[in-house]
Amino acid sequence: DAGVIQSPRHEVTEMGQEVTLRCKPISGHNSLFWYRQTMMRGLELLIYFNNNVPIDDSGMPEDRFSAKMPNASFSTLKIQPSEPRDSAVYFCASSRSRPAGGEQFFGPGTRLTVL
Amino acid sequence: KNEVEQSPQNLTAQEGEFITINCSYSVGISALHWLQQHPGGGIVSLFMLSSGKKKHGRLIATINIQEKHSSLHITASHPRDSAVYICAVPYNNNDMRFGAGTRLTVKP
Repeated sequence: DAGVIQSPRHEVTEMGQEVTLRCKPISGHNSLFWYRQTMMRGLELLIYFNNNVPIDDSGMPEDRFSAKMPNASFSTLKIQPSEPRDSAVYFCASSRSRPAGGEQFFGPGTRLTVL
Repeated sequence: KNEVEQSPQNLTAQEGEFITINCSYSVGISALHWLQQHPGGGIVSLFMLSSGKKKHGRLIATINIQEKHSSLHITASHPRDSAVYICAVPYNNNDMRFGAGTRLTVKP
């Protein structure tokens, strides 16, 4: 298996632009997680899907952020409009079970820079 | 107070030394994760444990649920072990809380 796939690996955009990050989880995994990592705040869980359904989005910073999982093999995280403080590395991870239950496999991350 | 505390924040060791990284948490959990983040940024899950001890190669993780404490040990450390080690605790079954990480540098 190719592991968790994220695209793009790097994104540089200007403030106000829409940004879409993509993730393909490992086949057979039914949980998908979006994380954000910054120097100031470390790793934070943004949203968690189980069987394509958003279970907990309390970590999503504000309405500018939205995430979807239209099917078991694809998820997007969208920021509209983007702001410089959104600059971070965004990781997608997948697992066979809920956070308390199983090992998570991380994608390589998308490094987002908002100018 | 941070719900997940790691110590030390930074650790420098000589190759071959025995390494211990500690994690204390204040929330009730059923399992704990240890993650490794390499200088290139990639994150790898090392262990998920809910009791006792797990061993994988030169890495050993222990947890004491009653004391809310876990340790990650590295025996015969090597420069390739240099990375940031992160403790993560599932919270309320859906959320995850992370420690700030321990930056380990192993010198040859």
